Amino acid sequence: QVQLQEAGPGVVKPSETLSLTCNVSGVPIYSYYWNWIRQPPGKGLEWIGNMFFGGSTKYNPSLESRVTIFGDTSKNQVSLNLTSVTAADTAVYYCAKSLSGSLESWGQGTRVTVSS
Amino acid sequence: DIVMTQSPLSLSVTPGEPASISCRSSQGLLHSNGYHYLDWYLQKPGQSPQLLIHLGSTRASGVPDRFSGGASGTDFTLKISRVEPEDVGVYYCMQTLQTPWTFGQGTKVDLK
Repeated sequence: QVQLQEAGPGVVKPSETLSLTCNVSGVPIYSYYWNWIRQPPGKGLEWIGNMFFGGSTKYNPSLESRVTIFGDTSKNQVSLNLTSVTAADTAVYYCAKSLSGSLESWGQGTRVTVSS
Repeated sequence: DIVMTQSPLSLSVTPGEPASISCRSSQGLLHSNGYHYLDWYLQKPGQSPQLLIHLGSTRASGVPDRFSGGASGTDFTLKISRVEPEDVGVYYCMQTLQTPWTFGQGTKVDLK
């Protein structure tokens, strides 16, 4: 049974870097694609990007200049860094596992507020 | 980017009655392997989204058979044969044929 647990700072100051982690249990991260998706308050879903460990990463062009997704097999953990944040980056951030495109399993999400 | 357009954006349904949600893509989602790369997700109140349908018409594991997905060109449909109270929430379609993967705006379903 795969479980995903996101963790983050809760509040980030404008212009700083947002760093989130997704702790994965039940499957090794090197076997699947790992995605980050976000949902601003009261709004819909936006795909941020994904990675396949030891392979490619794909990012949404709208965020590509600011985002990095990477993994740590020793911790079985996937991470997201988003630089130069603004209020528009305030959202619930989800990690999700995929293999053949579909987001099969999701974490419970972590809420991030950008505020000074 | 492929634009996904859902309709309606809001739907009130009577328990036990059928319901249908449409999703249109700005370009075809048919892969060379013969599958449409279109998924449906349900986000129940206060929860994370969950996968209902993938590859256009294949129910995910554990999804009741009252949910079905269909495809015709760039038009996709999610049907619920008999709505149950636990089906309330926001339904999203999403394409994964090409990056960036994109979602529809969501359709909020509640009970009459």
